[in-house]
Amino acid sequence: SQQGEEDPQALSIQEGENATMNCSYKTSINNLQWYRQNSGRGLVHLILIRSNEREKHSGRLRVTLDTSKKSSSLLITASRAADTASYFCATDTSGTYKYIFGTGTRLKVLA
Amino acid sequence: GAVVSQHPSRVICKSGTSVKIECRSLDFQATTMFWYRQFPKQSLMLMATSNEGSKATYEQGVEKDKFLINHASLTLSTLTVTSAHPEDSSFYICSAPPRGTSEQYFGPGTRLTVT
Repeated sequence: SQQGEEDPQALSIQEGENATMNCSYKTSINNLQWYRQNSGRGLVHLILIRSNEREKHSGRLRVTLDTSKKSSSLLITASRAADTASYFCATDTSGTYKYIFGTGTRLKVLA
Repeated sequence: GAVVSQHPSRVICKSGTSVKIECRSLDFQATTMFWYRQFPKQSLMLMATSNEGSKATYEQGVEKDKFLINHASLTLSTLTVTSAHPEDSSFYICSAPPRGTSEQYFGPGTRLTVT
């Protein structure tokens, strides 16, 4: 079963623009992670944010977490064509490292 | 960072045969590994938790007799798809958390095609 839903399902932007993806989940979490997946490939870990954190940055990536709304967002600034991929949030609800994935957002960055 | 490998990366098999997929943590030990399945243009669905030295824990709706999991050592888990059918064709991905961290490292995946 899916713990999270992401929106939008698909997003198409021009290079240089910012991309924002949202993840909503159903039950309380210990932490949340964002991953990128290029077509037909494995997953690349982007950022982990713990339930007691509200915001984290890594390079052009900014993740926020609002536990009261059970939601998280991933912002990619100054997007590049190479950012074209699917992005997934994944939540750990039990502290057992068992992550349940959201539905994903397919991002396309046009050069 | 930590590395997880999978073998094979691609496999084609005939309906009714069994296929074994290996997941290895190359530079860390993992008492727990996870197996996911991903259909085209869909998200990852957790199939089971592989536990070193004990039985795997399967998610609801996953047939344990069809997807046999063996966690033989602290660096190796195997998934065997028994009596494969075309509907088992999918992308199978394993993951493992290094001890003492909350992160998950994913293998590159195995694409299974059953003809």
